[in-house]
Formats: sequence, structure tokens, C-alpha cells
Amino acid sequence: QSALTQPASVSGSPGQSITISCTGTSSDVGGYNYVSWYQQHPGKAPKLMIYDVSNRPSGVSDRFSGSKSGNTASLTISGLQAEDEADYYCSSYRSSTTRVFGTGTKVTVL
Amino acid sequence: EVQLVESGGGLVQPGGSLRLSCAASEFIFSAYSMNWVRQAPGRGLEWVSYISSSSASIYYADSVKGRFTISRDNAKKSLFLQMNSLRVEDTAVYYCAQSYGSGDDAFNIWGQGTMVTVSS
Repeated sequence: QSALTQPASVSGSPGQSITISCTGTSSDVGGYNYVSWYQQHPGKAPKLMIYDVSNRPSGVSDRFSGSKSGNTASLTISGLQAEDEADYYCSSYRSSTTRVFGTGTKVTVL
Repeated sequence: EVQLVESGGGLVQPGGSLRLSCAASEFIFSAYSMNWVRQAPGRGLEWVSYISSSSASIYYADSVKGRFTISRDNAKKSLFLQMNSLRVEDTAVYYCAQSYGSGDDAFNIWGQGTMVTVSS
């Protein structure tokens, strides 16, 4: 079960906006509106940031937004802050019986 | 506080078995599907298994199919993962996670993880 493709790293200065891509196929990202995004700080459990492509769970900052076009989903972080430095993973429904994660992206705040 | 707490990890030899547990508190455990997700040291996340709220639907990643068994006890608000025929490549932190979203595909509440090391 091959992983979704994410850039290994993305960086930005405080206050800037960055976008992380998550590329799959028509069998996963492109086929369903079931893409989610997770933030993981070192040594910590992941935290759900976006679900159903663009929905934010209660308590997640509106600086985080999600979208999708074709087989590629994107997570945008606006007004980048030092606390946003972490690893980010996308995930997608691949079928009713399978879920798949992305390769992960390390976000660095310069 | 809504939380999940995993236990049962440890060191096991290749070919051995281990049973992980995940205890839920402060949410209606029986109403949610649950998952196991793992993360090998220094690596990314890998979905392992899913079980629906009533245990009617159970799914596994190809990498563990036939070796791992997921189960749950709603009365005891607990999730389990029986791991048999363990391999070195099963070494990872194992997280339990609550399903969420329209497709029951997102992972909302996560435990702190339990480390499984498979080594001779």
C-alpha cells in the first residue's frame, strides 16, 4: 500500500503563508472528499488539524485551511508562527477498507 | 478529559506475540469506530487496522493481514491488538485513535502510544 506523496520539507518566515501538497491518485485523494491532515511535534502523538478536505475540528486555529484539486490535496498555514514548526501528514480514504498516510513534511519556521 | 491510554508494548523476539490494549475515558466509546496506527522510529505514520463501533467491520493493512487481530470490548471501553508472528519491521510506536469525519477515515483522539520492539 504505497503512501501519498508529500514534499520532505517546507519552510517559511514568521507571518508568511506556506502550502504543503499531498499527491495521490484517483483511487484515493482524487476519488473521495476524505482527506485529513495531522500535526506532530517531536515525541508527541499526532493532532488532527483538517478532516473531510477542508473542515477544522473544534479548537484548531483558522490559520490552518485545506483544499483539494484533482489528485492533490493541500494544507495552507497562514500567519506562520514558531509553534507551527512540526511534522505534517496527510491521510486519505483509499477504499472502504483502507486508509493511507502521506510521506510527511517537516515544516521549519525560519 | 477525553483520552486514550495504550499499554502492553515491550521487547519481543521475532516470531513472538504481543497484545496491546487501549483504554478509553470520557467519551461514548461504543459509538465510535477505532483504529491502530503505528510509527517506526524516525519514520512516518502507517495505518494498521480499523474496527467499527459494533465490531461488524474490521480491516487491516496488507503488511499485517493474517498476523494481527483487532478487537474491542465496549462494556470495558477497551480496544485491543493481538500481534502474532512479529517481525523486526513491526518495531514501532503503536497508537490507538478514534475515527472521525464523514468517511470514518480521519483520526481524532489519539493515545500517547506504546513502543513495540521486535529484536533478537
